[in-house]
Formats: sequence, C-alpha cells, structure tokens
Amino acid sequence: QSALTQPASVSGSPGQSITISCTGTSSDVGTYDLVSWYQQYPGKAPKPMIYEGTKRPSGVSSRFSGSKSGNTASLTISGLQAEDEADYYCFSYAGTFCVFGTGTKVTV
Amino acid sequence: EVQLVESGGGLVQPGWSLRLSCAASGFTFGDFAMHWVRQGPGEGLEWVSGISWNTDIKGHADSVKGRFTISRDNARSSLYLQMNSLTADDTALYYCARGRGGDIRWDLDYWGQGIMVTVSP
Repeated sequence: QSALTQPASVSGSPGQSITISCTGTSSDVGTYDLVSWYQQYPGKAPKPMIYEGTKRPSGVSSRFSGSKSGNTASLTISGLQAEDEADYYCFSYAGTFCVFGTGTKVTV
Repeated sequence: EVQLVESGGGLVQPGWSLRLSCAASGFTFGDFAMHWVRQGPGEGLEWVSGISWNTDIKGHADSVKGRFTISRDNARSSLYLQMNSLTADDTALYYCARGRGGDIRWDLDYWGQGIMVTVSP
C-alpha cells in the first residue's frame, strides 16, 4: 500500500496554468477511473475539487480540471489565483483499499 | 445539510485503546460508504479505513490492520473506529468522511472537521 506520488511543490504566477501529477500503478490509478482531488488550506478540512477523474462538484470553479493517462492522473489549475495557494491531494481506489497521494503545495 | 461530527479523541498513553465516533445527519446514512482519514502533525492525508453501506466491505490501511476496526450503526447514523495498541505514530487529526456511493471505491464528498488523537507517555 504505497502512497501515490505527487511533486512536493508546484508554483506559478497569477494567470498562469499549472499541472499537478499523481502517479500510481496499474493496481490503482491505471485500472480505476476513480481518481479524486482535494484542496486543503492550513487548519481546514479537505475540500473535494475533482471526482471520477474529470468531474467537478457543484460550486468548484471551471479553472480546475482533471485528466488521466496510463498510471498517472493530473490536476490542472488554469488562470491561477492567489486563493488557489493550498495543499492538493489525489486519492484513488486500489481494489481492496484506498490511497492518497503524497500531497503537493501550490504556491502562487 | 450534510453534517459529520467526530468525537472520542484525546490524549492516551502508548498501548491504550480509544474509540472514535462520527455522528452523521442531513442524509440517509445507510445509503453511503463511510471512511476514516487521518493527518499527522505537519503531514499529508492518510486513508485509514472504509466501510460499505451494508458493512459487507471493510478495508483498512496496512499501518492499522489488526489494531483498528471500523464499524457502523445505520440505525443510529453513526460511524466508529476502535483503535487498539496505540503508538505515537497514530497521533493525528482523524477525519470522518462520506463516500459518494455505497461502496468504498467512490470519492469522499463530505468531511467532518476532525478530532485530535494524541498518543504520548
């Protein structure tokens, strides 16, 4: 049960686009189209941003989008804004258990 | 409005046991899978356990397997986590979260605010 691999940090300027990768294996990300992404501010509970790989919950900005290629899922934030500065985690089902990514700190 | 409220945390000594509870409201609890997720101080999120709507499917992370047990009472709209043989590595904020569907495969669409568990001599 290894954590999914994410870059420790990603940074960008306001208005730019950034992409956070989430690399798993053929037992989790590669098999199930069920990767979800969560945004977390310090001291706050995580907030769902993407589910089932590409879907956005109601109320989440269209600047957030998800994709997948092989064993790697990605979260793209376009038109980066100061409020996007937070930690981001991917999450996947793995057959008999679930697993989070290592987390990525986004700096704007 | 969906609400998840955790309780039962606190300071315990290594080797002790603790039982966390999560009281759910605002939805039909028995229709959804439920999960426990934890976050150590300054650490990332770690999935701990998940249970399907009808308790047929239970999963635990290797780090807690054999020590932690997840359970639920649909009549009381409550989720539980029995934690035994606690160690310092179990010190974390524990979140209760709802799965989007009845099986544990789905994402976590609602979260509680978390309850702190500290394991220290």
